[in-house]
Amino acid sequence: AQTVTQSQPEMSVQEAETVTLSCTYDTSENNYYLFWYKQPPSRQMILVIRQEAYKQQNATENRFSVNFQKAAKSFSLKISDSQLGDTAMYFCAFMGHQGAQKLVFGQGTRLTINP
Amino acid sequence: DAGITQSPRHKVTETGTPVTLRCHQTENHRYMYWYRQDPGHGLRLIHYSYGVKDTDKGEVSDGYSVSRSKTEDFLLTLESATSSQTSVYFCAISEGLATYEQYFGPGTRLTVT
Repeated sequence: AQTVTQSQPEMSVQEAETVTLSCTYDTSENNYYLFWYKQPPSRQMILVIRQEAYKQQNATENRFSVNFQKAAKSFSLKISDSQLGDTAMYFCAFMGHQGAQKLVFGQGTRLTINP
Repeated sequence: DAGITQSPRHKVTETGTPVTLRCHQTENHRYMYWYRQDPGHGLRLIHYSYGVKDTDKGEVSDGYSVSRSKTEDFLLTLESATSSQTSVYFCAISEGLATYEQYFGPGTRLTVT
């Protein structure tokens, strides 16, 4: 079974700083997908960024980028120029390539951006 | 935003009572999922559906049952609620196509006293 581990329960940075959230996973599959979801205080789950394992290029979405290291099974999220609205829980998630597209989530990292 | 609603949004119930949570979608997506969120565990899959009347168990299915009689509705039932089922429950949907993206509902906070 796949597992996803986020080793940083909480992080705190100043506004405009860059912050990196860590995620490692374990799988025997070769093709899969990795995601970062954001959950603000409103509780809504929001997809931040997606990475296909077969793509060597790291995904980027505006201020959000990932460092995908397939051999190390590592998938970190970098937030540049952090903003107060980035304050949220962040979840790393794994999805296998086949079957019913089930997500396996990490425990989450609570990120606080301070003014 | 994907058209997903959950009802009720909040519920307090007593141990031993049956509870049904409803997820309704207007997107005509094939896949529907129920997750529970607990501190320190992230979200964990309870049950999922890959079509009308087609369902399967997830990671934490004990004590839960589901039904999907229509494409748009996916029901989660706690036959006899226990305090360990106090949680926030999320429904999600997916087209099942190449985007592999799941869209989440707003969540239901359930408290079992």
